[in-house]
Amino acid sequence: GDSVTQMEGPVTLSEEAFLTINCTYTATGYPSLFWYVQYPGEGLQLLLKATKADDKGSNKGFEATYRKETTSFHLEKGSVQVSDSAVYFCALPGGYNKLIFGAGTRLAVHP
Amino acid sequence: DAMVIQNPRYQVTQFGKPVTLSCSQTLNHNVMYWYQQKSSQAPKLLFHYYDKDFNNEADTPDNFQSRRPNTSFCFLDIRSPGLGDAAMYLCATSRGEDGQETQYFGPGTRLLVL
Repeated sequence: GDSVTQMEGPVTLSEEAFLTINCTYTATGYPSLFWYVQYPGEGLQLLLKATKADDKGSNKGFEATYRKETTSFHLEKGSVQVSDSAVYFCALPGGYNKLIFGAGTRLAVHP
Repeated sequence: DAMVIQNPRYQVTQFGKPVTLSCSQTLNHNVMYWYQQKSSQAPKLLFHYYDKDFNNEADTPDNFQSRRPNTSFCFLDIRSPGLGDAAMYLCATSRGEDGQETQYFGPGTRLLVL
């Protein structure tokens, strides 16, 4: 069945460091791909999405490119801030209006 | 702003005492979801409504029930909470037009079972 695999965390970085969180997927067809972010004590919110191959989603300095050939949707940011500390979830639609989530990657950014 | 609202943000209940969590939305979305999330794990879908059609996940315990009296509101009822039901409960909505849309989440209700 369809699935999402994320790199395990936690990821600990200093402020202004470069961030990559790997996400690979298994799916039939070409689903939309999502990154959601969950700040401490909050619900999830959409960070960015891509709807077809080679699309690049971007928001708040984060980017991810839908790579069909490598079945990947890695999240990147050139310079992280303390306020980016959160848990990041990669996800894809699982049919019947459902989402399949990766396990989540916790990011901690230190000053 | 259109949004998903959950009340209360924190709920304390006693072991075995029924509890109801509430969710409302101003997005006029067709689909409403309830998730259970423990310790920053991925959210686990309990069930969802497409309009009035209820869709239960196969592994959702019978202890969990839901009601959707109208488009805007959805409730999660836990009939006899156990210690293992302590978690964050997330409500979400989506348009439900092609199954590829964004889900919009509420802030969650953290349930503590004493």
